[in-house]
Amino acid sequence: QKEVEQNSGPLSVPEGAIASLNCTYSDRGSQSFFWYRQYSGKSPELIMFIYSNGDKEDGRFTAQLNKASQYVSLLIRDSQPSDSATYLCAVNPKAAGNKLTFGGGTRVLVKP
Amino acid sequence: DAGVIQSPRHEVTEMGQEVTLRCKPISGHDYLFWYRQTMMRGLELLIYFNNNVPIDDSGMPEDRFSAKMPNASFSTLKIQPSEPRDSAVYFCASSPRTGFGYTFGSGTRLTVV
Repeated sequence: QKEVEQNSGPLSVPEGAIASLNCTYSDRGSQSFFWYRQYSGKSPELIMFIYSNGDKEDGRFTAQLNKASQYVSLLIRDSQPSDSATYLCAVNPKAAGNKLTFGGGTRVLVKP
Repeated sequence: DAGVIQSPRHEVTEMGQEVTLRCKPISGHDYLFWYRQTMMRGLELLIYFNNNVPIDDSGMPEDRFSAKMPNASFSTLKIQPSEPRDSAVYFCASSPRTGFGYTFGSGTRLTVV
């Protein structure tokens, strides 16, 4: 089992709809969770982080964390073509210091 | 702040040659990370430093890879000798402290022929 798992996609979403991305992790003691966006040929860019169970909203993005079920999700509301990118989930496992483990990413395509 | 600065942006070299990648982290960030990204393996942590000291190098593939951080504003990743399977995008990232996520540099695309 991979430490951090994501569906590779592509996730095809009509413009204006909600994109829902999921990520599961294996280390139950993981402390902090991050979502990065990576455009083709570019570097990953941090868009959200969450530490506690529940929802965290930032603009059109909502991160959801459920530590009991070991999953974290990202919702993108009112999806725009500019949201087309690969979204990487990253987890800070317990006792890993400041080391993040990344999932393989989910490619999102927003169609006008 | 100019962000994390990496050089060169692209590097094409012949098998067997030495390659040196460079990184300048964001000022004040105590952590520096070297990652490698390929289509097959995704983002893999190679090594990271805290206050210029290597903390975890378990991801360094083999003895051909070495990394140094002589001061808080500069780090190098060296591959000697390089092999075609080293072809990848190498990212440097920095972080102010645990739990704050990373800021990535623009990356170095390495091609070994």
